[in-house]
Amino acid sequence: GQNIDQPTEMTATEGAIVQINCTYQTSGFNGLFWYQQHAGEAPTFLSYNVLDGLEEKGRFSSFLSRSKGYSYLLLKELQMKDSASYLCAPMDSNYQLIWGAGTKLIIKP
Amino acid sequence: TAGITQAPTSQILAAGRSMTLRCTQDMRHNAMYWYRQDLGLGLRLIHYSNTAGTTGKGEVPDGYSVSRANTDDFPLTLASAVPSQTSVYFCASTLTGDTGELFFGEGSRLTVL
Repeated sequence: GQNIDQPTEMTATEGAIVQINCTYQTSGFNGLFWYQQHAGEAPTFLSYNVLDGLEEKGRFSSFLSRSKGYSYLLLKELQMKDSASYLCAPMDSNYQLIWGAGTKLIIKP
Repeated sequence: TAGITQAPTSQILAAGRSMTLRCTQDMRHNAMYWYRQDLGLGLRLIHYSNTAGTTGKGEVPDGYSVSRANTDDFPLTLASAVPSQTSVYFCASTLTGDTGELFFGEGSRLTVL
């Protein structure tokens, strides 16, 4: 079956760095997406990895290892506005996104 | 402002009643999706449409129907609502069905009593 595993909740301090891990098992693979979702709002696209390695976009970076079925999202210089849920979503062989339950990130001053 | 619009934002519905959630996008995206989001679970795909005139079933299609008469509109209908359909519903679109950068509507919170 298809499965996504990411921590339910994480806490970090403003200005620090946090890494949110995601492991996945899917039927085929066509890339992995990370989305951000603030409470009560819709998800918004953050990043996409299809090849192994690190993709950097400002304060956010995303890493992929296809052989290990593993990805992480790295957030640097944390700001209070980064408090949100982060959704890991690999795309399977049918080009359907398989969504994890999300990691709720709490930023403390 | 270009984007994707859902209506209503929130609705309380008696069990057994029918309801249509509306979704309209003006980005000329070919693919559209309906998801439900429940606490502690990932987004679950209800139905999708890769292009106008075609629809497909997702992970949890039972109790829901969709139509795609044109590119812009993708309504979701609950023919006879049940309490387990209480959820937040998101409509999303993307340019083509093989891309994962989805644009989401603001969501419709449905409560079935």
